Amino acid sequence: QQQVKQSPQSLIVQKGGISIINCAYENTAFDYFPWYQQFPGKGPALLIAIRPDVSEKKEGRFTISFNKSAKQFSLHIMDSQPGDSATYFCAASQETSGSRLTFGEGTQLTVNP
Amino acid sequence: DAGVIQSPRHEVTEMGQEVTLRCKPISGHNSLFWYRQTMMRGLELLIYFNNNVPIDDSGMPEDRFSAKMPNASFSTLKIQPSEPRDSAVYFCASSPYPRRGNEQFFGPGTRLTVL
Repeated sequence: QQQVKQSPQSLIVQKGGISIINCAYENTAFDYFPWYQQFPGKGPALLIAIRPDVSEKKEGRFTISFNKSAKQFSLHIMDSQPGDSATYFCAASQETSGSRLTFGEGTQLTVNP
Repeated sequence: DAGVIQSPRHEVTEMGQEVTLRCKPISGHNSLFWYRQTMMRGLELLIYFNNNVPIDDSGMPEDRFSAKMPNASFSTLKIQPSEPRDSAVYFCASSPYPRRGNEQFFGPGTRLTVL
């Protein structure tokens, strides 16, 4: 009930391409869906987040698409750059559980020059 | 504003020794989380505190692990005795919840190697 499933485990994209990472959740009480970005040797950092009252949120080249009925959400990185190479984690939480996050397994993205 | 501070950044110890990891959360944050990251298991929540009180320690692997938060500006994660399978990167994160929603701010991590 608390799991968040993430795919793919790894992704290789050419510079300028679109990177797409998908997540699915089970707990319908989740009401906050962030994506975290982690560079080697660093801690994860919040990249972008969405709440279920909207179906899409865009910040620069990064977009979250949210499908409440399917219980799925995805991260799209447009015009992918080598500097985007990192591990990406989706996560979910519910307001009543405070700021506790349930993380997906992570996707290692490599953007080739 | 300083971020989450963790020490040490690297720790190498021998099996059976006691290990203490330290964390200073961002000032004003009232929630603190300890995570463990490995290639095999990903990012695992070990324990989290709210207003210095442990709320959920169900992720703590076994009794060898213990965590304390004696005040709002300091927390420790202790492993006694340590085992090679404890080798991982341990992250501390803090959150200003309920202000600014549910965002967690992670420290740089402590890379633990148990020989």
